Amino acid sequence: NAGVTQTPKFRVLKTGQSMTLLCAQDMNHEYMYWYRQDPGMGLRLIHYSVGEGTTAKGEVPDGYNVSRLKKQNFLLGLESAAPSQTSVYFCASSSGLRGVFRETQYFGPGTRLLVL
Amino acid sequence: AQSVTQLGSHVSVSEGALVLLRCNYSSSVPPYLFWYVQYPNQGLQLLLKYTTGATLVKGINGFEAEFKKSETSFHLTKPSAHMSDAAEYFCAVDNAGNMLTFGGGTRLMVKP
Repeated sequence: NAGVTQTPKFRVLKTGQSMTLLCAQDMNHEYMYWYRQDPGMGLRLIHYSVGEGTTAKGEVPDGYNVSRLKKQNFLLGLESAAPSQTSVYFCASSSGLRGVFRETQYFGPGTRLLVL
Repeated sequence: AQSVTQLGSHVSVSEGALVLLRCNYSSSVPPYLFWYVQYPNQGLQLLLKYTTGATLVKGINGFEAEFKKSETSFHLTKPSAHMSDAAEYFCAVDNAGNMLTFGGGTRLMVKP
């Protein structure tokens, strides 16, 4: 199993350009997440999905859109990139099971985005 | 809303010395607590987690953490640091059902 994969690994954009980050998981997980990581701020949740066809906003959703058309894929879109969106983006997934044992989130390797 | 505070953005220890990384949380309900490790240019890897039961949790690579409800803390320790432990460590809390709130991270440096 590859686990959680992200493409691309690195990208440079000019202000105003658009792009889509792809996250794929092969663990049949229900839940998927997009985070951004900035120095000193840990990881902050951008958007998440609790199942195919559903998405919800996280802590910092402005300037991003997401789609979950297939259970294994979670796409993060930047319609008009801004320098403030320079960051490292991580995708994660979890089985989403409820009950006594909270499920672990599994992370991808990250995408480094630089917006000039 | 829950929050997580990691005291010390950078911690430096000598090889063989005790590692102590501090984490305090705020939560309105019993929390589930996690420590993740991030090696350079990699994603986050689960080190250990506390859900219910025993408050002393053992993880990978010789790390352990103790949940102290009265102190709202979940500090991470390792008796003897190795050079390979140099990484960034994140504490996180889940009390909303599979949603994590992360601390700001602590970068651990290990001196030879």
